[in-house]
Amino acid sequence: KNQVEQSPQSLIILEGKNCTLQCNYTVSPFSNLRWYKQDTGRGPVSLTIMTFSENTKSNGRYTATLDADTKQSSLHITASQLSDSASYICVVTLKAAGNKLTFGGGTRVLVKP
Amino acid sequence: DAEITQSPRHKITETGRQVTLACHQTWNHNNMFWYRQDLGHGLRLIHYSYGVQDTNKGEVSDGYSVSRSNTEDLPLTLESAASSQTSVYFCASSDTLTGETQYFGPGTRLLVL
Repeated sequence: KNQVEQSPQSLIILEGKNCTLQCNYTVSPFSNLRWYKQDTGRGPVSLTIMTFSENTKSNGRYTATLDADTKQSSLHITASQLSDSASYICVVTLKAAGNKLTFGGGTRVLVKP
Repeated sequence: DAEITQSPRHKITETGRQVTLACHQTWNHNNMFWYRQDLGHGLRLIHYSYGVQDTNKGEVSDGYSVSRSNTEDLPLTLESAASSQTSVYFCASSDTLTGETQYFGPGTRLLVL
């Protein structure tokens, strides 16, 4: 069964600190992997997208990595800000007819001053 | 600016009633999707459409229907609302030509009593 598992489920960090979120997937065949940020009460917004051949992608203070061999991805947040408080969702696209998306359950990040 | 909107943003209804949630996008995207988001689950696909007059079932389509009469709109209908359909519903759209990143609406919070 195609699955996307994220860890931790939630974490609290102090403003200015770094953190890393993990995503393990079993989706196969794999097309691409996205990280989305979802603020409370809003829809998800795309942060990064990586294809099979890419192993890192940055978007400002967000850096995503991908190891297609071990089927793992991480999202690193540098110098966290209060506005980084949100849920971060890992999404893997199945390389097949329709390019279906499989969503992880998300990691809820709370940045405290 | 192009956008994707949902209405209503909040809805309370009673078991057995028919409910329709609206989704409107001005991106001129061919692809539109409906998801539900519940605690403990990632976003789950209800229905999707790849163009006018095209509709397809997702993984949790029972009790829901959609119709696509134009490019901009994909209304989601709950034929006979059930308490299990209490959830937050997100509409999304994408364009194959731009890498298929999905752009999400703000969500509709539905409570079925």
